[in-house]
Amino acid sequence: SQELEQSPQSLIVQEGKNLTINCTSSKTLYGLYWYKQKYGEGLIFLMMLQKGGEEKSHEKITAKLDEKKQQSSLHITASQPSHAGIYLCGRGDTGRRALTFGSGTRLQVQP
Amino acid sequence: GAGVSQSPRYKVAKRGQDVALRCDPISGHVSLFWYQQALGQGPEFLTYFQNEAQLDKSGLPSDRFFAERPEGSVSTLKIQRTQQEDSAVYLCASSSRLRDNYGYTFGSGTRLTVV
Repeated sequence: SQELEQSPQSLIVQEGKNLTINCTSSKTLYGLYWYKQKYGEGLIFLMMLQKGGEEKSHEKITAKLDEKKQQSSLHITASQPSHAGIYLCGRGDTGRRALTFGSGTRLQVQP
Repeated sequence: GAGVSQSPRYKVAKRGQDVALRCDPISGHVSLFWYQQALGQGPEFLTYFQNEAQLDKSGLPSDRFFAERPEGSVSTLKIQRTQQEDSAVYLCASSSRLRDNYGYTFGSGTRLTVV
């Protein structure tokens, strides 16, 4: 969706390197979700951010929400081949239960 | 079951054929969503059920698409007279009333190829 822009579109990193993926919304953020998807599989929920300045961690993955900039970043520390996949951000909308997703960032981690 | 189950995993249909895709949500989850994911894109919302009521079908791309959840559990997405542009992965997701903290649980999807 163009309402949610993710950057970069794809990323190749060497194992052990840190990386950051960004998600920018053209509309006010009422909750920002991060999911991971492996090829041929469904989406796996990573975390949800709701308040400006909020930061959450899941193993070596940390996500932050900048409400003023309508932006979220996902940071992976010391990347491993198991981190490879497509990372998708999703935005909730008031009065609507469905999420709007970005196009995803494809991450490859080279051993 | 433990997760959201979708069947079939793969479906090849000839153009013009009708197809039916099934979703078995997590037991007790009241909310159920269908999404369409084209190659290289993020999922796009199709429709939403709360129990058996279809509360939002604004994402259905045409009247060839129809979804139902008659008893508030299993849902079926039906596509009539399939076209090549319908080729995509169809994802089903379910959530409990407390979904805000736990997100939605997605199935592995049905990959539909229209030839």
